[in-house]
Amino acid sequence: DSGVTQTPKHLITATGQRVTLRCSPRSGDLSVYWYQQSLDQGLQFLIQYYNGEERAKGNILERFSAQQFPDLHSELNLSSLELGDSALYFCASSAFRTENTEAFFGQGTRLTVV
Amino acid sequence: LAKTTQPISMDSYEGQEVNITCSHNNIATNDYITWYQQFPSQGPRFIIQGYKTKVTNEVASLFIPADRKSSTLSLPRVSLSDTAVYYCLSPSGSARQLTFGSGTQLTVLP
Repeated sequence: DSGVTQTPKHLITATGQRVTLRCSPRSGDLSVYWYQQSLDQGLQFLIQYYNGEERAKGNILERFSAQQFPDLHSELNLSSLELGDSALYFCASSAFRTENTEAFFGQGTRLTVV
Repeated sequence: LAKTTQPISMDSYEGQEVNITCSHNNIATNDYITWYQQFPSQGPRFIIQGYKTKVTNEVASLFIPADRKSSTLSLPRVSLSDTAVYYCLSPSGSARQLTFGSGTQLTVLP
């Protein structure tokens, strides 16, 4: 158990809909990262937050948005969903701002868009 | 941008030592090299991290030469359960993204 909790574990929704994925980082971790992993694909970095502020942005679509709340949990919002958005979405957390710190990953949310 | 290059796949047999090499030609002075392991449908798991020379923990060793342009993850006496994708990471460019490359699919055969 990495200490990072993601909910829900599975999500099935229709095209055009909007969903919210939630991530609770390890206790005390200030950095949260979001990744997308499509079937048989690598991990695509989406976005990183540090202590409530956006710190780095990767290949995140405009239809996607995220935020980190004062209690440090984070949410990833996906809207106008398309079939191609079906993927595993991982959240990771780390203690410090530097990327030289070990990151801990959650078990992911499997999103299926039908 | 710092970019890592590693073999797409490797096969090994149970009980053998496996060495996976990663190239990171543009690594920055302050960057560490970190390796993660990922099983299907699971989140990546930290294996080991180092800056230079050699680092060893209970599961692996990491060798980094003086020029730090490459690193080698060494897994001693692999078992079937070590079959996974192994990622070499180094912070990427000015955006400081924790960016994963394509990884190396290690398959351990009986």
